[in-house]
Amino acid sequence: QVQLVESGGGVVQPGRSLRLSCATSGFTFSSYPMHWVRQAPGKGLEWLASISNGGSDKFYADSVKGRFTISGDVSKSTLLLQMNSVRAEDTALYYCAKESDAFDVWGQGTMVTVSS
Amino acid sequence: QAGLTQPPSVSKDLRQTATLTCTGNSNNVGDQGAAWLQQHQGHPPKLLSYRSNNRPSGISERLSASRSGNTASLTITGLQPEDEGDYYCSAWDSSLSVWVFGGGTKLTVL
Repeated sequence: QVQLVESGGGVVQPGRSLRLSCATSGFTFSSYPMHWVRQAPGKGLEWLASISNGGSDKFYADSVKGRFTISGDVSKSTLLLQMNSVRAEDTALYYCAKESDAFDVWGQGTMVTVSS
Repeated sequence: QAGLTQPPSVSKDLRQTATLTCTGNSNNVGDQGAAWLQQHQGHPPKLLSYRSNNRPSGISERLSASRSGNTASLTITGLQPEDEGDYYCSAWDSSLSVWVFGGGTKLTVL
């Protein structure tokens, strides 16, 4: 069945970098747009970035534009999020999601805590 | 990037009907409709409907979605305890080329 498994979260100091991964299985990775969405503790969902099927188009929320980069490794069916210059407000549970008309499949999330 | 507007909370009695609303503009909800997701505490969101009135397989027929202008609605009939949770709407904004979420509505079944 379709599965998304995030990893790479942890505690990171402000200003440093972190790379999140989302390992996918059960579908053809390159055939679907993919997304990163986060949820700060006790807060709502915030869309961060998406990559089109095939990887040619990428879109970002203003809050992360210029700091975060979404990419896909088709050979490993893995979605990536490179997070640079992280801030305290980036502390959240980060989800990857597959798009088939909407966000139809979600991973369990990986927690990122930005703290000195 | 302004998000979609949802009421923070809705409370209804068991077996009653709840209607949740989500207001955007002509570039998002009014353009391609909205998706609805449900989230239970400690779990990832679950897709309930997309493009305002399409329900994925396995989603209860007690749920129905619609859209009128720039406002999307999710109606849940015959409320059950398992319907409690947080409900989010989401839409693609064709003007800004971003996805936007509503702030979420906490549904309580009394």
